[in-house]
Amino acid sequence: EDQVTQSPEALRLQEGESSSLNCSYTVSGLRGLFWYRQDPGKGPEFLFTLYSAGEEKEKERLKATLTKKESFLHITAPKPEDSATYLCAATSGGSYIPTFGRGTSLIVHP
Amino acid sequence: SQTIHQWPATLVQPVGSPLSLECTVEGTSNPNLYWYRQAAGRGLQLLFYSVGIGQISSEVPQNLSASRPQDRQFILSSKKLLLSDSGFYLCAWTRQGPSTDQPQHFGDGTRLSIL
Repeated sequence: EDQVTQSPEALRLQEGESSSLNCSYTVSGLRGLFWYRQDPGKGPEFLFTLYSAGEEKEKERLKATLTKKESFLHITAPKPEDSATYLCAATSGGSYIPTFGRGTSLIVHP
Repeated sequence: SQTIHQWPATLVQPVGSPLSLECTVEGTSNPNLYWYRQAAGRGLQLLFYSVGIGQISSEVPQNLSASRPQDRQFILSSKKLLLSDSGFYLCAWTRQGPSTDQPQHFGDGTRLSIL
């Protein structure tokens, strides 16, 4: 059974304090690893797709990386507007169904 | 560009009443469509998905049903709501075909409260 585990569940940072969110996955034949941002009361917003180990993607203060067992979302010098829940999901084989983690709730204090 | 619309944004219903939530996608043809329920701290639970008109797959046995009467329209229904049906309901779409390398695009959800 495919599994995706995110840690920590919650993270509090001071503005400018860089950190990383972890997404560990156990899937048979990873096809895609996805990161989303979800603001309270809204649907998840797509951030990145990673396909193979060693791949990296960047967007503003966010950088996503992928290894054969996990993905990291690095947040550099975060700002309060980066506060949100970050979800990761993985797909495998020919499935139409991604497996989601439970998310990391990030709060950045000014 | 593609857009997804869900309505209503919030809904308060009494126990035993019927439910109809609607989701429509614009700007693409024959999308894969999904209904999720999200409970606080419990992640996304897939309820139904559809790869074409009239084709519905159910992931979790429950008090809900789904229909896809048109290519870009997905409806979540219930004949009699239970207290346990409360939650945040999300609709999502991907391009047609196996979505293994495609992200999902979500609507803004419906907050359903059952009294």
